[in-house]
Amino acid sequence: QKEVEQNSGPLSVPEGAIASLNCTYSDRGSQSFFWYRQYSGKSPELIMSIYSNGDKEDGRFTAQLNKASQYVSLLIRDSQPSDSATYLCAVNQAGTALIFGKGTTLSVSS
Amino acid sequence: SAVISQKPSRDICQRGTSLTIQCQVDSQVTMMFWYRQQPGQSLTLIATANQGSEATYESGFVIDKFPISRPNLTFSTLTVSNLSPEDSSIYLCSVERQGSPTEAFFGQGTRLTVV
Repeated sequence: QKEVEQNSGPLSVPEGAIASLNCTYSDRGSQSFFWYRQYSGKSPELIMSIYSNGDKEDGRFTAQLNKASQYVSLLIRDSQPSDSATYLCAVNQAGTALIFGKGTTLSVSS
Repeated sequence: SAVISQKPSRDICQRGTSLTIQCQVDSQVTMMFWYRQQPGQSLTLIATANQGSEATYESGFVIDKFPISRPNLTFSTLTVSNLSPEDSSIYLCSVERQGSPTEAFFGQGTRLTVV
């Protein structure tokens, strides 16, 4: 059974702080790793993808991947109240559907 | 990213009836996926729909309950049959961008309430 694990939260951070979201996965054959943001009542929105070990930065977002530890994380710098949402970690192999974690709820207080 | 139009966006249905959800993509895609998101839960894959072949269903999902059509490379439908309150969920279609590596994008979702 392929699994993706996330802490459900809620993770609460003050505005301007760094939010750190973590995810582990069970399938060592996973090749692609994604972070989706989902606002309440909306569909998931892709915010980051990462495919090789190391860090990938895009604006305030940094994704980190460690395949040896089967671990992927998302850092959000200078957190804003508009970042308050559920963040879903997803993994897959090429040509297969995504496997999602249960999501971490982030709350950024102003 | 692909533009995915999914409809209806929401519906309220009587138990025992069926709802058909449509998903239209603005470009040809090989694989389309249907997910269910129950209240407060993450996304669960229902089935993978390839054009020209029967859909492949995940464990716990059967064709009689969730028939899927994929008549061409830009369109798919999911029907949720014999509705019960337990089917109240958000249903999402998803496509992968052509090429490698793959990235998946979602339609707006269909919020189904069964009364």
